[in-house]
Amino acid sequence: NAGVTQTPKFQVLKTGQSMTLQCAQDMNHNSMYWYRQDPGMGLRLIYYSASEGTTDKGEVPNGYNVSRLNKREFSLRLESAAPSQTSVYFCASSEYRTATIYGYTFGSGTRLTVV
Amino acid sequence: QKEVEQNSGPLSVPEGAIASLNCTYSDRGSQSFFWYRQYSGKSPELIMSIYSNGDKEDGRFTAQLNKASQYVSLLIRDSQPSDSATYLCAVNKGPGGSYIPTFGRGTSLIVHP
Repeated sequence: NAGVTQTPKFQVLKTGQSMTLQCAQDMNHNSMYWYRQDPGMGLRLIYYSASEGTTDKGEVPNGYNVSRLNKREFSLRLESAAPSQTSVYFCASSEYRTATIYGYTFGSGTRLTVV
Repeated sequence: QKEVEQNSGPLSVPEGAIASLNCTYSDRGSQSFFWYRQYSGKSPELIMSIYSNGDKEDGRFTAQLNKASQYVSLLIRDSQPSDSATYLCAVNKGPGGSYIPTFGRGTSLIVHP
C-alpha cells in the first residue's frame, strides 16, 4: 500500500536550473495537489488538479508549472529555480467529491534547496 | 484576520495529561474540519475529521466542533511522548465553496515524561 509516492526526496539546485518533482498515487483518487511548507508559513497550495485533465492555480503558483499526466501522476516543474523556492514540497491526493470528509493523503515530501 | 488560526505553541504537557489544541476559523460557511499530525521532518497525517457540532471520539483523540463560536479543538487523553508533534487544523468550505481546505500554521505539542 504505497499511497502517495514522491521523488526525489532531496534535491539541491543552482539558481536558474530546472527540475521536475514527480508524484504518483495508487488510491484511485480524482484530485491531486502540490503544497510547499516553509517555517512559520504553514502549508501553501501551489497548484491542484481536481480531476484528470484539469489543473488550477493555488495560492502561490508563480515560478511553477504542473502536468496531470494521467489519473495517477501529477508533476511539478520549476523552470528556473530561485533561492525563494527553497522549501519542502508535498504532494497530496484526495477524492474530490468527498474531500470534505476524508481529507488528504500526503506524500513523504521533497526537500529542495536552491543555492 | 487569518482564515484559520492556531496558537503556534509550544504546548507542553506532562505524560498522562490531557492535551488541548484549539483552532478558530473566520468563514461561517465552513462545513468540514480536519486535524493532521506532523512529526518533525515528516509529512502531515490525517488523524481526525469532523463536520457536525459536538464531539467525535477516536481512541485517545476527541475532536470538538462549535460552529456558533467558530472553533474546533482536539483533545488528546493520556498524552504520550510519542504524541509530540505539530498539529495542523484544516477547514473546508464545502459545497458552494472551494473543496480545497485552508490550513492553520499548526501548534507544536511537547509531551514530557
